Amino acid sequence: DTGVSQDPRHKITKRGQNVTFRCDPISEHNRLYWYRQTLGQGPEFLTYFQNEAQLEKSRLLSDRFSAERPKGSFSTLEIQRTEQGDSAMYLCASSAPGNLNQPQHFGDGTRLSIL
Amino acid sequence: KNEVEQSPQNLTAQEGEFITINCSYSVGISALHWLQQHPGGGIVSLFMLSSGKKKHGRLIATINIQEKHSSLHITASHPRDSAVYICAVGGTVRADKLIFGTGTRLQVFP
Repeated sequence: DTGVSQDPRHKITKRGQNVTFRCDPISEHNRLYWYRQTLGQGPEFLTYFQNEAQLEKSRLLSDRFSAERPKGSFSTLEIQRTEQGDSAMYLCASSAPGNLNQPQHFGDGTRLSIL
Repeated sequence: KNEVEQSPQNLTAQEGEFITINCSYSVGISALHWLQQHPGGGIVSLFMLSSGKKKHGRLIATINIQEKHSSLHITASHPRDSAVYICAVGGTVRADKLIFGTGTRLQVFP
């Protein structure tokens, strides 16, 4: 069990640029979640995959955001035309198959800073 | 009013002190989670509970479903316990769609 891995750990970019983050969940986990956390706040749900299917998207996820999990393993989160308000920590979590009521395993996050 | 409220927001303690962090929620839940977040950002799941009490090492978590309240206790606190502690609840329909509190920042000094 190597844990949930996120890449990169930090990303600094200019406003208007596109960025892409990657999440590798624990290998046997079929559920994958993306969260966004701003300074001093708790994480907020962005989107959820079960295997390769994106089953839910938050209203926080504007049309500049897109997430994929093409083979049901790793996932990517892309932000197009970044804005200052996108600066945040982006967290990925995964959980095992079975009932929904189980712990989520989090990665270390990708901290995005928009200049 | 947030659906999950934590208190206090910030907490400082001397090494060895007994610490309590509180969490109140206003929605029906399937389970409550206590999470630990270190300065680097990574989050570790400490407890998931839906009734009673759980203990792991120096950490104890309790929940009172009727009062919609949970507490996280740390006995014999240590500087390495310094972190943000986050309470999160899973709903009754979607247990995995967590609603998070804003966290309690704990600093333990030697």
